[in-house]
Amino acid sequence: KNEVEQSPQNLTAQEGEFITINCSYSVGISALHWLQQHPGGGIVSLFMLSSGKKKHGRLIATINIQEKHSSLHITASHPRDSAVYICAVTIQGAQKLVFGQGTRLTINP
Amino acid sequence: DTGVSQDPRHKITKRGQNVTFRCDPISEHNRLYWYRQTLGQGPEFLTYFQNEAQLEKSRLLSDRFSAERPKGSFSTLEIQRTEQGDSAMYLCASRPDRGSGNTIYFGEGSWLTVV
Repeated sequence: KNEVEQSPQNLTAQEGEFITINCSYSVGISALHWLQQHPGGGIVSLFMLSSGKKKHGRLIATINIQEKHSSLHITASHPRDSAVYICAVTIQGAQKLVFGQGTRLTINP
Repeated sequence: DTGVSQDPRHKITKRGQNVTFRCDPISEHNRLYWYRQTLGQGPEFLTYFQNEAQLEKSRLLSDRFSAERPKGSFSTLEIQRTEQGDSAMYLCASRPDRGSGNTIYFGEGSWLTVV
């Protein structure tokens, strides 16, 4: 079993829909990251959080430390949001990030 | 552009050849990471440097792989006697010390195809 699990693996929605991507982890962490990867490889950090909730524009990330679960929400989704969204955790006491497999999001116009 | 840069972006090589990738992190980021990503998978950790010291190394890094960061700035990842299974994207990332935001920044990746 992977230390970081994401769901769903693939998600297709219509423009304007509210999107939720989930991440569960099984290890102690010092931080959780949500990342965005576009075709061609480049990865951009969207959020780093260790508790509570963060918001940036139409993106919202939440984390529940007790339940070892995080969600990424996209409001008013747009075709340009189409990308792979990756959850990653920094394991307590270590430096490396452990990544989930990613969620491929496609927003149709 | 002062982001993390990687070179080359694409490399096609014949099986058995050696390849070297270079990563230039964001200046003053003393933490540098190498990851490998295959199609449809999330990145897998390879190795981590703090300044010039290689502090962590994955079991994925066989003896054909070696990474260096000689002056604590740029880093190289060399793969000797490449195999087809080495075909992947090799990602470099850097981040500052704790207390400076700690956000991680990724390069665009170096795609390796072994034929």
